[in-house]
Amino acid sequence: GESVGLHLPTLSVQEGDNSIINCAYSNSASDYFIWYKQESGKGPQFIIDIRSNMDKRQGQRVTVLLNKTVKHLSLQIAATQPGDSAVYFCAETWSSNYQLIWGAGTKLIIKP
Amino acid sequence: DADVTQTPRNRITKTGKRIMLECSQTKGHDRMYWYRQDPGLGLRLIYYSFDVKDINKGEISDGYSVSRQAQAKFSLSLESAIPNQTALYFCATSGRLISGANVLTFGAGSRLTVL
Repeated sequence: GESVGLHLPTLSVQEGDNSIINCAYSNSASDYFIWYKQESGKGPQFIIDIRSNMDKRQGQRVTVLLNKTVKHLSLQIAATQPGDSAVYFCAETWSSNYQLIWGAGTKLIIKP
Repeated sequence: DADVTQTPRNRITKTGKRIMLECSQTKGHDRMYWYRQDPGLGLRLIYYSFDVKDINKGEISDGYSVSRQAQAKFSLSLESAIPNQTALYFCATSGRLISGANVLTFGAGSRLTVL
């Protein structure tokens, strides 16, 4: 079946640098793409979403980029901080369906 | 108080025992979900409910059952627990953002160990 997958299971970044977490998807019918952050011992938390008719969306210190040509999604975190250490999941969904298709996750490690 | 509350947070049980994980929410959402997460892996949907009278199987419903007692309550049961059901279980509710995206709010998780 169609799925969302991640390129890198673990990403190590120096504190203060920018982080880029990537995600590939295969369902061209998806309407929305969502990033979640899961800190150790907690449930996933919504970070940001992007609609399929957009190619970029910015939040506080985060930017999501969507490239529909190559079916690629990325999450950019500016000036990475220790509190950004977590597993990041991308997920896709569509407006006619309330379910999400989840990627496996990327673990972001911040080096001091 | 948390928007989505799960109990118990941790449970150790033996093979063959019946286990119930409970979830309550204060978001006022109609939609509720139960997910399973195994170490180093993503989330897999067990069951979901769009309202009190609606229950749907997810991708891994075998060995599990659910009950939607009220809009705010959704419980997950393992009738006869087995070791490969050892996992972290998450309850979630969902509502739509202004953008239209259906976004989940998760509980803190219930860690279940089956010996």
